[in-house]
Amino acid sequence: QLVLTQSPSASASLGASVKLSCTLSSGHSGYAIAWHQQQPEKGPRYLMKLNSDGSHNKGDGIPDRFSGSSSGAERYLTISNLQSEDEADYYCQTWGTGIWVFGGGTKLTVL
Amino acid sequence: QVQLVESGGGVVQPGGSLSLSCAASGFTFSNYGMHWVRQAPGKGLEWVAFIRYDGSNKYYPDSMKGRFTISRDNSKNTLSLRMNSLRGEDTAVYYCARGSDPLEIWGQGTMVTVS
Repeated sequence: QLVLTQSPSASASLGASVKLSCTLSSGHSGYAIAWHQQQPEKGPRYLMKLNSDGSHNKGDGIPDRFSGSSSGAERYLTISNLQSEDEADYYCQTWGTGIWVFGGGTKLTVL
Repeated sequence: QVQLVESGGGVVQPGGSLSLSCAASGFTFSNYGMHWVRQAPGKGLEWVAFIRYDGSNKYYPDSMKGRFTISRDNSKNTLSLRMNSLRGEDTAVYYCARGSDPLEIWGQGTMVTVS
């Protein structure tokens, strides 16, 4: 079964960096994922597609502060030089044949 | 400007039906697969349905098969979702999104309350 697992919460200080993780279920370590950001009271926003080799393609207008990386079944989103507007929920998302799956989301607090 | 605008949300009684629409603009709608995704209050994102660019294939999670129907009108740049036999747990913001695999463009959502 295709499942994505995320930590419920994370926090980091203004100007610091944070690395959020998303874990693919057993047998699916080769899957690509996407990262989405949802700021409070807003719709989601696509950040990037992240492949199993760590290569990634960002959406239009996504700052260079956002980057992705991969290791085995782990997919990561790193946000550098944290800004107050980065405080949001972050969701990973993947897909198979006729199925699309979201992780439970990570709530990022910028201290 | 690429844009998706959902409409049709509202309050409906349990067991009732509702149809949602998503108006697309700023891109060639007929070239893209489209999704519906929902978010219950205080909860995460849940995939609801997908339709291929030409409407030839439709997919749903098992929990929604038979109650929800996705459709599209490429001549009107419109995506639709028909929801039947609604339950309290269907209460959510419903988003349409563009993209076959990564969902690349999202609308702002329309609220459906089953009560």
